[in-house]
Amino acid sequence: GAVVSQHPSRVICKSGTSVKIECRSLDFQATTMFWYRQFPKQSLMLMATSNEGSKATYEQGVEKDKFLINHASLTLSTLTVTSAHPEDSSFYICSASGRSSGNTIYFGEGSWLTVV
Amino acid sequence: QKEVEQNSGPLSVPEGAIASLNCTYSDQGSQSFFWYRQYSGKSPELIMFIYSNGDKEDGRFTAQLNKASQYVSLLIRDSQPSDSATYLCAVGSGNSGYALNFGKGTSLLVTP
Repeated sequence: GAVVSQHPSRVICKSGTSVKIECRSLDFQATTMFWYRQFPKQSLMLMATSNEGSKATYEQGVEKDKFLINHASLTLSTLTVTSAHPEDSSFYICSASGRSSGNTIYFGEGSWLTVV
Repeated sequence: QKEVEQNSGPLSVPEGAIASLNCTYSDQGSQSFFWYRQYSGKSPELIMFIYSNGDKEDGRFTAQLNKASQYVSLLIRDSQPSDSATYLCAVGSGNSGYALNFGKGTSLLVTP
């Protein structure tokens, strides 16, 4: 199946700083990428949808100025958590789809963010 | 509000038995249905997807879809301890470039 890679897999940052998470589709062109957040024992919650070359569409309640999403190419999307706070600590997961993935959605490995 | 409902479990089955996981959804416009497996601390892994009413089989897994009842299920035959995980049902409203709505997942425990 298609491969979606996320980096870093784990990151610890100080409160008030920013951290960037990358999501790459390795063997297909991802026209659409999605960013999810999952708190322990909770379901995946969609944060935003991004189409290559366009501004991301954020779900209600997600601050677009805090969670900056860039989808500059068909293989890379980034999520930047700005001015991170401890309550932003979570498991962030990207997923991607495109015609060459058969329109099936594949997930990255996820990134654990801990804000101290 | 588009909702996807799953019994949280845990569902416990003995090794070799059939595990049956169920999911209902509220959006009648849903067109695509996915089952993901998620081990603790890991990202979801796609098991199967189904678009049409009926059954779809892949190895030990069978997905069943009934759009009239807004119901989708996953059967796991010959369950193995390695199948122990949380199974997430996900529903999409399109077939290209759409987001998925996830259920909270059913925890499956396969006992040796």
